[in-house]
This record gives sequence, structure tokens and C-alpha cells, in this order.
Amino acid sequence: EDKVVQSPLSLVVHEGDTVTLNCSYEVTNFRSLLWYKQEKKAPTFLFMLTSSGIEKKSGRLSSILDKKELFSILNITATQTGDSAVYLCAGINNNDMRFGAGTRLTVKP
Amino acid sequence: DAMVIQNPRYQVTQFGKPVTLSCSQTLNHNVMYWYQQKSSQAPKLLFHYYDKDFNNEADTPDNFQSRRPNTSFCFLDIRSPGLGDAAMYLCATSPGGSSYEQYFGPGTRLTVT
Repeated sequence: EDKVVQSPLSLVVHEGDTVTLNCSYEVTNFRSLLWYKQEKKAPTFLFMLTSSGIEKKSGRLSSILDKKELFSILNITATQTGDSAVYLCAGINNNDMRFGAGTRLTVKP
Repeated sequence: DAMVIQNPRYQVTQFGKPVTLSCSQTLNHNVMYWYQQKSSQAPKLLFHYYDKDFNNEADTPDNFQSRRPNTSFCFLDIRSPGLGDAAMYLCATSPGGSSYEQYFGPGTRLTVT
């Protein structure tokens, strides 16, 4: 059965810290891995990773995929309180997307 | 702005009383999805349409149905809501083809009394 596992499930840091969120996946006919940020409402799209070893970067956020080891990481540097959210990763094959349970990140002032 | 719109944002229904949630998009995306998200859980895919082709997840209860009358609109019908169906219902769209990223609407929070 396909599954996506995220770790840690929750994380509390202070502003300015750097965090790494982990996502491992077992998805049949895997095509891409996506990262989302979910605050109070719907998830917002962060990254889509299809190729192994190519880092995607957006401001203080970056992510990379390892298709050999079947995992991805999401890095956030110089965290801010506005980064507090649940971060979801999802593996996609064809048009099915399976989410992990999410990592709840809390950034304290 | 191109977007995914869900109405209503909050819906209260009675146990067993049919309810319909709606989703519309101005992105002209081929694929539309419905997810159910319960508190502190990841979104769970219920079904999706690729154009007019309907794809039901194996574990989606028969109580949940969907309609997509045209590219822009997709509806989620819950025929006989139970207390366990109270959740946030998220609609998402995706261009399809080789573009897999999904864009979510704001969600409809369903309460069953």
C-alpha cells in the first residue's frame, strides 16, 4: 500500500533557527513529490519535485528529492513566527496524490 | 485573479439531510479533486475528475457522490450525512498532463447536527 511518512510530527523552534522537515514515501509509479504549507485554511503550494538531486529554492525555503532513497527534505532557514504552520508533503502518481500526516511547526518569538 | 472558489465556506446540516458543496475554478484546469480533512489529519482524497472522467477512491463511502457539469464547476453531494462526516472539504484543481501541482480552494467546513 502506498504511504507517505513525515517526521517529526511536531517541532517547536525559536525565531532565527533553521529547521529540516523530512518526508519519506512509497508510492507506486511515483512521479513527483509536492510540499504544501497549511495554516488555518487550505494548503498552499510550495514546491513540486520531480528530479532527484535538484534543489528548489524560494526565499528561505528549499527542498530536495532523493528518488533512490525515497525521501525529500524541506529546509527553512532563519525561521520567523509566520512560518508556523503544518507542512504537508504528498506523493503523486498519475493523478492520485497521497498526503503525509504533516509536520506541525511552531516558531516562537 | 484566477482562483478556486468554494461555496459555502461554512455549512451546517442535520443528520441524514442531503447537502451539496460547490467548487468553481477560473484556472481552466482539466483536473478537479475533492478532499476530506478532519481535525489534525492530512487531507484524504475522495475522488477526482480528469475532464469528464470520474475517478473514485476505493475507500470513499457510497454516501459521497460528485458531479462535474462543465470544466469550471464540480459538486460534492453527501446523500445522508452522518456525524462522522463533519470535516473540512477541500476542492483542488490541477492542470493535468505533466503538471501535477494542485491548487486548493479555501474549503467548506461542514457541521452535522
